[in-house]
Amino acid sequence: NAGVMQNPRHLVRRRGQEARLRCSPMKGHSHVYWYRQLPEEGLKFMVYLQKENIIDESGMPKERFSAEFPKEGPSILRIQQVVRGDSAAYFCASSPPTGQGSYEQYFGPGTRLTVT
Amino acid sequence: SQQGEEDPQALSIQEGENATMNCSYKTSINNLQWYRQNSGRGLVHLILIRSNEREKHSGRLRVTLDTSKKSSSLLITASRAADTASYFCATVSTTSGTYKYIFGTGTRLKVLA
Repeated sequence: NAGVMQNPRHLVRRRGQEARLRCSPMKGHSHVYWYRQLPEEGLKFMVYLQKENIIDESGMPKERFSAEFPKEGPSILRIQQVVRGDSAAYFCASSPPTGQGSYEQYFGPGTRLTVT
Repeated sequence: SQQGEEDPQALSIQEGENATMNCSYKTSINNLQWYRQNSGRGLVHLILIRSNEREKHSGRLRVTLDTSKKSSSLLITASRAADTASYFCATVSTTSGTYKYIFGTGTRLKVLA
């Protein structure tokens, strides 16, 4: 059973370009969370999605950032018109459906975004 | 400030010593979890303690939870160089069938051989 997959692992974008980060949750997991981490800092929650639904996007900047988790395919975190301040590691985590009694999150290896 | 504040921010100990990290939080929780992150990697789940539990053990890990003080501690006994990593607490609250996770700022542990 493959773990949470994220790609690309490293992404370099020039200012003003778009960044697309992908996350494939573990098999059977229907919840996806995106976090952002700056060097030497903790994880900042961005968005929580279930299939075709955004449950909580309170941590997501109002502009330039969007996320989706379609019925088929990976979850996508999209950052439009990137700026240097968007440089960070972006982690995706997945968890089983609620009601299964498991609250553990399984993390992907992260995508390191560098904006030049 | 963000819920889930760990202290100390950084800890350096000798191999064989015990390491204790603390986490404080602000709101009601369903459970509290501890995760480990090696440099450049994703987080790995270590242990979960439910709000009605006071203490839990897993191998060399011991976690306590005091809901009256809204605090938790993680103790790693007989530390090894391989325990060098950042450790994060995460509080989990549930609302209408959804989970809200809030991660702390982390404790960077360095175990010297």
